[in-house]
Amino acid sequence: DTAVSQTPKYLVTQMGNDKSIKCEQNLGHDTMYWYKQDSKKFLKIMFSYNNKELIINETVPNRFSPKSPDKAHLNLHINSLELGDSAVYFCASSQRVEAQPQHFGDGTRLSIL
Amino acid sequence: GESVGLHLPTLSVQEGDNSIINCAYSNSASDYFIWYKQESGKGPQFIIDIRSNMDKRQGQRVTVLLNKTVKHLSLQIAATQPGDSAVYFCAENQRNQGGKLIFGQGTELSVKP
Repeated sequence: DTAVSQTPKYLVTQMGNDKSIKCEQNLGHDTMYWYKQDSKKFLKIMFSYNNKELIINETVPNRFSPKSPDKAHLNLHINSLELGDSAVYFCASSQRVEAQPQHFGDGTRLSIL
Repeated sequence: GESVGLHLPTLSVQEGDNSIINCAYSNSASDYFIWYKQESGKGPQFIIDIRSNMDKRQGQRVTVLLNKTVKHLSLQIAATQPGDSAVYFCAENQRNQGGKLIFGQGTELSVKP
């Protein structure tokens, strides 16, 4: 009965590869987010979607492409992975845009070799 | 620019004592503030929030204080328990910014039995 679930939990891959992280929420929320947490635990928003529509794109490189097939899912595809992409990526959701609090998944730890 | 910071990166307390975690913010337009707890290997977990029209809000064993004059936020945890050991983040939100949360650096709370 996990509210916000991400897969995979760990992802180890080589530089230059393309990878995807999936996120699903069963809370019935309209809005979903992706955050990046660096090695110093600093959390920064990357994207938000409301009912499949992009709301926030926080100057993230265009190698990162979020995709929302429906309002319960927000996947993150990353092309041409670089060493600096190593981080923990968190998905979150909220009832609607501007609604708080946001509910977070347990993260996907991405390691680039 | 916008920033939310913490005065102390680490805090060590004795079990049963009260803990106070501080946070400074710089955006006077922010009107919503939230505290999250992050345990190792987990995502941020909502603790308590407060809107800018309030200066104090209490939950179970936790209290958030907001001082808009000096742009300061604090989280007080009463009778701290070993299970409270985690990293605590404050975050701020400004209306009409698409729900974007701006996170502080995080304070690691360690509770000694």
